[in-house]
Amino acid sequence: QQQVKQSPQSLIVQKGGISIINCAYENTAFDYFPWYQQFPGKGPALLIAIRPDVSEKKEGRFTISFNKSAKQFSLHIMDSQPGDSATYFCAASISDYKLSFGAGTTVTVRA
Amino acid sequence: KAGVTQTPRYLIKTRGQQVTLSCSPISGHRSVSWYQQTPGQGLQFLFEYFSETQRNKGNFPGRFSGRQFSNSRSEMNVSTLELGDSALYLCASSSLEGNEQFFGPGTRLTVL
Repeated sequence: QQQVKQSPQSLIVQKGGISIINCAYENTAFDYFPWYQQFPGKGPALLIAIRPDVSEKKEGRFTISFNKSAKQFSLHIMDSQPGDSATYFCAASISDYKLSFGAGTTVTVRA
Repeated sequence: KAGVTQTPRYLIKTRGQQVTLSCSPISGHRSVSWYQQTPGQGLQFLFEYFSETQRNKGNFPGRFSGRQFSNSRSEMNVSTLELGDSALYLCASSSLEGNEQFFGPGTRLTVL
């Protein structure tokens, strides 16, 4: 039973474009929503995270939008670069360090 | 600070054997979590340790076990290996101050 549903499975974007990845959850007890970036052969790296009391958080070219009533959150990658080509995972937890991950989105940025 | 380290990085075992993986958390981090990553099931939570006590456990059979030492280093053990245990095993550490989990590079286990 997947607690966090992520889409799309993959996407291709041109350099300079915007990548958008969406996640939805059911458990309203979740109170921490991180995004991870993973390159082949590496462990996931924390990219950005948000808590339900905030609707948007921006760090550089990465922005999380959070819609508590819809139980959805999304990652926007602005001005996508070839170095952003990686697999991105959304996740959620209930402050107990047990992360429930989405299935992942493979992003390919074409030069 | 040095990141999370995991040893060994690669491991090949045969069915029926047992294996022990090691994780050293970021200095000062007392929580260590383990995850299994496979192409079919994605990233799944195995268990989490804090101050040598298991606080959380995922839905894995009893063949998967772990422990944490007084210096916060952690080991996980898989007994009676099955082909389906082939995966990337990831360790993550957290401080007391937040939920941020920082992952190591993982141990790639192949069961033949």
